Amino acid sequence: EPEVTQTPSHQVTQMGQEVILRCVPISNHLYFYWYRQILGQKVEFLVSFYNNEISEKSEIFDDQFSVERPDGSNFTLKIRSTKLEDSAMYFCASSETPDQLDGYTFGSGTRLTVV
Amino acid sequence: AQSVTQLDSHVSVSEGTPVLLRCNYSSSYSPSLFWYVQHPNKGLQLLLKYTSAATLVKGINGFEAEFKKSETSFHLTKPSAHMSDAAEYFCVVSARSNYQLIWGAGTKLIIKP
Repeated sequence: EPEVTQTPSHQVTQMGQEVILRCVPISNHLYFYWYRQILGQKVEFLVSFYNNEISEKSEIFDDQFSVERPDGSNFTLKIRSTKLEDSAMYFCASSETPDQLDGYTFGSGTRLTVV
Repeated sequence: AQSVTQLDSHVSVSEGTPVLLRCNYSSSYSPSLFWYVQHPNKGLQLLLKYTSAATLVKGINGFEAEFKKSETSFHLTKPSAHMSDAAEYFCVVSARSNYQLIWGAGTKLIIKP
């Protein structure tokens, strides 16, 4: 069964450093998403991406965040200057259509710890 | 605006007994509703979805959920729990305006031998 692959599974970084979280969506999917879950809190929407541009973003997704599809297969989330409160599990997802009639396929997540 | 409330943070059942995970939603529009499961150290897996077709929805691994508009509920059930069902379960509503997923806080299902 096709999978969404995320790397790394764990990342520890120092406050103020830049991190790039990587995702390989399912090959025929056109819509891509990042969600995050701070420990003990709800899963939150960050951003959706289609046709090489952001379609929607939440209030969380401020100027320190950016997304990119650099090579037609990877989908990356960059956090420019990490803060302690960025520590969370970050989930990438992809879908064939935007309306989730088939649901999203999520990756296993990257646990980011900012120290 | 959409919101989701999962009424129990933890549910503990014995193996072989029924499972009930409760979810209530609030939506300005006719909602799409989902249940996702997360096993330890695994990704979020879609269990089942309701998208305005049949109100009783069957999913994977013997789970099903019933959409009750009058009660604004979408409870998840399974007749007989298995040890492998131990996981965290998320009830999710889709915002029809922009298709964002709005997540419940999750219910941790514990299966006792």
